[in-house]
Amino acid sequence: KQEVTQIPAALSVPEGENLVLNCSFTDSAIYNLQWFRQDPGKGLTSLLLIQSSQREQTSGRLNASLDKSSGRSTLYIAASQPGDSATYLCAGQNFVFGPGTRLSVLP
Amino acid sequence: GAVVSQHPSRVICKSGTSVKIECRSLDFQATTMFWYRQFPKKSLMLMATSNEGSKATYEQGVEKDKFLINHASLTLSTLTVTSAHPEDSSFYICSALRDFNEQFFGPGTRLTVL
Repeated sequence: KQEVTQIPAALSVPEGENLVLNCSFTDSAIYNLQWFRQDPGKGLTSLLLIQSSQREQTSGRLNASLDKSSGRSTLYIAASQPGDSATYLCAGQNFVFGPGTRLSVLP
Repeated sequence: GAVVSQHPSRVICKSGTSVKIECRSLDFQATTMFWYRQFPKKSLMLMATSNEGSKATYEQGVEKDKFLINHASLTLSTLTVTSAHPEDSSFYICSALRDFNEQFFGPGTRLTVL
């Protein structure tokens, strides 16, 4: 059964830092991956979708990449801001979610 | 675009009653919707896949008679928690699938069973 790991579990950084969040799948046959953010007590907001024909996607300060051979994805956040504080989750095409990375960006 | 709503956002009920939660895709049609459950500070647990016009597919360990799912139209799926008990208290979130297998989530429903 597919399992998803996210590293680190929690991260606290000062404002302005660039940071990387990691997501890996036990079954490396990942061809479709989506990154989300979740604010406390809220639903999930879609950030980026990497489709089967793609290797990475960019949206503003966010960049996500997918290494299909290893089943690993990274989410890069540039010039972090306090408003980026949230839990970040990833999910593959079978809609199994990782445990999330809880990010705090300190002003 | 790609807005998904859930109703109600919060519900408190007595043990033994049934609660219905609605999930609507407001600006697109979704043949597939998902229902998740989330415990405090935990990730999402997929409960079932809801397919328009057919029976839902439940994940292992999820009681289909306990959590009734109906996907009667391309924009509406409902989850009914039957004979609710305190251990059913949780945050329930739905999502709808759009093009390219991209999921869009509702804001969630917090259920408290007394």
